[in-house]
Amino acid sequence: NAGVMQNPRHLVRRRGQEARLRCSPMKGHSHVYWYRQLPEEGLKFMVYLQKENIIDESGMPKERFSAEFPKEGPSILRIQQVVRGDSAAYFCASSPPIWTDYNEKLFFGSGTQLSVL
Amino acid sequence: AQSVTQLGSHVSVSEGALVLLRCNYSSSVPPYLFWYVQYPNQGLQLLLKYTSAATLVKGINGFEAEFKKSETSFHLTKPSAHMSDAAEYFCAVSGGSNYKLTFGKGTLLTVNP
Repeated sequence: NAGVMQNPRHLVRRRGQEARLRCSPMKGHSHVYWYRQLPEEGLKFMVYLQKENIIDESGMPKERFSAEFPKEGPSILRIQQVVRGDSAAYFCASSPPIWTDYNEKLFFGSGTQLSVL
Repeated sequence: AQSVTQLGSHVSVSEGALVLLRCNYSSSVPPYLFWYVQYPNQGLQLLLKYTSAATLVKGINGFEAEFKKSETSFHLTKPSAHMSDAAEYFCAVSGGSNYKLTFGKGTLLTVNP
């Protein structure tokens, strides 16, 4: 049973380019969460999505960042016109539709390291 | 609002020695507290969690943590380190959301033979 898959593992972009980060949730999971870890900081929540719906985007920067989780295919975190400050590790997590053990069903991927030159 | 401070970005112990990883939290509501571990090239895995039941929480791989409200701490311990414990450990707090965790910066644990 494959875990949460993120790709690419490392992504290098020049300032002004677009970055697309992909996340395939665990089999049977329909909820996806994105977190960001800036250098020298802890992981911070960005956005929570269900299939074709954004449930909570309270942690997303107001501009240049967007996320989607289409009916088919992986969840995508898209960063337009990247700047050096976007350099970070981006983690995705997934969970099943319903769980009763508090937070026990959040499964994390190994992250995508974005470097902006 | 919640925050987490992990004291020591890097801890080194000898195999068989006590492991102590420190975590202090701040929360405006009764917290739920977690420890996650990340082995090289893998995702974060839940080690243990505190959700207002017993203050001493036992997790996987022989780890445990004690919730001390008076000290706002949730330190992670293991009596005897094993080489396979080498990894990065993250403390996290949640103030009532199932998914909105606030993490510390992480502590890299090195185990020397």
